[in-house]
Amino acid sequence: DVKVTQSSRYLVKRTGEKVFLECVQDMDHENMFWYRQDPGLGLRLIYFSYDVKMKEKGDIPEGYSVSREKKERFSLILESASTNQTSMYLCASSYSGSRSYNEQFFGPGTRLTVL
Amino acid sequence: DAKTTQPPSMDCAEGRAANLPCNHSTISGNEYVYWYRQIHSQGPQYIIHGLKNNETNEMASLIITEDRKSSTLILPHATLRDTAVYYCIVRVASNAGNMLTFGGGTRLMVKP
Repeated sequence: DVKVTQSSRYLVKRTGEKVFLECVQDMDHENMFWYRQDPGLGLRLIYFSYDVKMKEKGDIPEGYSVSREKKERFSLILESASTNQTSMYLCASSYSGSRSYNEQFFGPGTRLTVL
Repeated sequence: DAKTTQPPSMDCAEGRAANLPCNHSTISGNEYVYWYRQIHSQGPQYIIHGLKNNETNEMASLIITEDRKSSTLILPHATLRDTAVYYCIVRVASNAGNMLTFGGGTRLMVKP
């Protein structure tokens, strides 16, 4: 059974803290993605990675960075958390090329609250 | 990506078929139709996709009209666990980012 896991389901942090969100997939997928989901705004892509050590900005990368040192792991970093980064964060992965057909597998999400 | 239009909400009786429509009148020839769903407090889940032929898998069937301007996702025997928001997405099958954009979707409520 395919699996994308995220380090926490719920997280509460204070303004200015550095926050790490971890995502691990066990499907040997090349592509990995970080989205945030907010009411009325749908799903928005923050960053994605198509290979180890490779990263590309999505629609809303400001205030975030990412790290992909190993194929199975993709980390999202909030360097200095702010209240407007309170959101549901979703990690996803997929095969690359024609195998993917945009079939992305999502993790359960991390609901982050920044106070 | 082509724009899609879905009804905001639908009800379905448990055990009956749920038919969820999607309009995508500006779809281009190399764009696929994908369906995802999101159950409350969970991440989105891929359901099915198709180009022009009807498709069926263990979760659902996808019926695409001959002109490809609309499609219908069919859950043949809806259960309470199928209550979710269903998203219809139209995209090319390329590796260019593979980012997904979810619109409003249809909130399906399956009732006993």
